[in-house]
Amino acid sequence: DAMVIQNPRYQVTQFGKPVTLSCSQTLNHNVMYWYQQKSSQAPKLLFHYYDKDFNNEADTPDNFQSRRPNTSFCFLDIRSPGLGDAAMYLCATSRDRTGARETQYFGPGTRLLVL
Amino acid sequence: KQEVTQIPAALSVPEGENLVLNCSFTDSAIYNLQWFRQDPGKGLTSLLLIQSSQREQTSGRLNASLDKSSGRSTLYIAASQPGDSATYLCAVRGNTPLVFGKGTRLSVIA
Repeated sequence: DAMVIQNPRYQVTQFGKPVTLSCSQTLNHNVMYWYQQKSSQAPKLLFHYYDKDFNNEADTPDNFQSRRPNTSFCFLDIRSPGLGDAAMYLCATSRDRTGARETQYFGPGTRLLVL
Repeated sequence: KQEVTQIPAALSVPEGENLVLNCSFTDSAIYNLQWFRQDPGKGLTSLLLIQSSQREQTSGRLNASLDKSSGRSTLYIAASQPGDSATYLCAVRGNTPLVFGKGTRLSVIA
């Protein structure tokens, strides 16, 4: 059973054309994360939601925004994609943010191509 | 700021060999350390989680150890198989969400 679902799996957009990536979860977890991963690089955290509380990483460009309308869904909006934004975008969830037993569950990712 | 380093960046071994992947981190104040597997173009699959109070965890042919004081972890894979070919990522959780290493790309040759 899918627990963290990302749609679409592949997204092609044009330079400067806004694009939205979607993530949903069936785990009822409090925390949802968005990571950007470029080829051969470590996943880089963009931001996360703890319930409705939005937490932006200091070096996340303003071009990246997020929405979490309810517990199950979280969206990543890229307002004006540039060629450098082509990457794999990974959504993850966890029950809480801290704790020795806390693990994050990842979706399959959305690969974004910017033309 | 936590930094995670994985060595080697790539590794190629013949089928059947035992192998060790290494992970080091700079801040020992962690809650746990996780090892993930990532197949090309896919998401991350959690393999093992070691809590900060634990020394090792085992799952099948995989064994992960943690030496928190020295900031090191190893992932041991026994009797490697071609199906083990993937990128293996190490990540630590402290007072921030997971911080990842760049991974070790493993190829097991039949």
